[in-house]
Amino acid sequence: DTGVSQDPRHKITKRGQNVTFRCDPISEHNRLYWYRQTLGQGPEFLTYFQNEAQLEKSRLLSDRFSAERPKGSFSTLEIQRTEQGDSAMYLCASSTAAANEKLFFGSGTQLSVL
Amino acid sequence: GESVGLHLPTLSVQEGDNSIINCAYSNSASDYFIWYKQESGKGPQFIIDIRSNMDKRQGQRVTVLLNKTVKHLSLQIAATQPGDSAVYFCAENNAGNMLTFGGGTRLMVKP
Repeated sequence: DTGVSQDPRHKITKRGQNVTFRCDPISEHNRLYWYRQTLGQGPEFLTYFQNEAQLEKSRLLSDRFSAERPKGSFSTLEIQRTEQGDSAMYLCASSTAAANEKLFFGSGTQLSVL
Repeated sequence: GESVGLHLPTLSVQEGDNSIINCAYSNSASDYFIWYKQESGKGPQFIIDIRSNMDKRQGQRVTVLLNKTVKHLSLQIAATQPGDSAVYFCAENNAGNMLTFGGGTRLMVKP
């Protein structure tokens, strides 16, 4: 499978716990994006990387959210001290660095905070 | 902020009919638009895209129309099939490929 891979597919956690999600992009793509999607809504942009550089992070929802892409390949998204409002689908996408290139999305990680 | 939105939340069509899903956008400076299909439990799947220097683009059974005068985008699906049932999103591509999505239209295909 050469698509975008996300792990885990589902995560159930208790309020206050930390969670980390992983994304493996398409191998030749040097841009990687994180989005959040709540039920019935379109995906909402969070952050993106070009190689290992995080070029936009102002739209991360709070300082409890952080993302890394240390080697310019896979990325992780961490949410600290989870709250019930963090329950959502977290989507990863990748693309080439060319202008106006389509994004390829993974199947997402569904987070439920109890 | 500027946003992309959809007129109809749900569209129900008969199998074999053509479907038209509409989208209004507000950022007149946007120069690239994408339609995505999302099935339950899956991530958005690319369908077709169009750049602002075009007003029509055709794919396999799908056509996207762009009217920059009224800032309107539409997706036409020919001979709609049960497998087309999904939620469809239009998205506007901002600088750095930061997509802004609309709220989605659910397409239901009746056999």
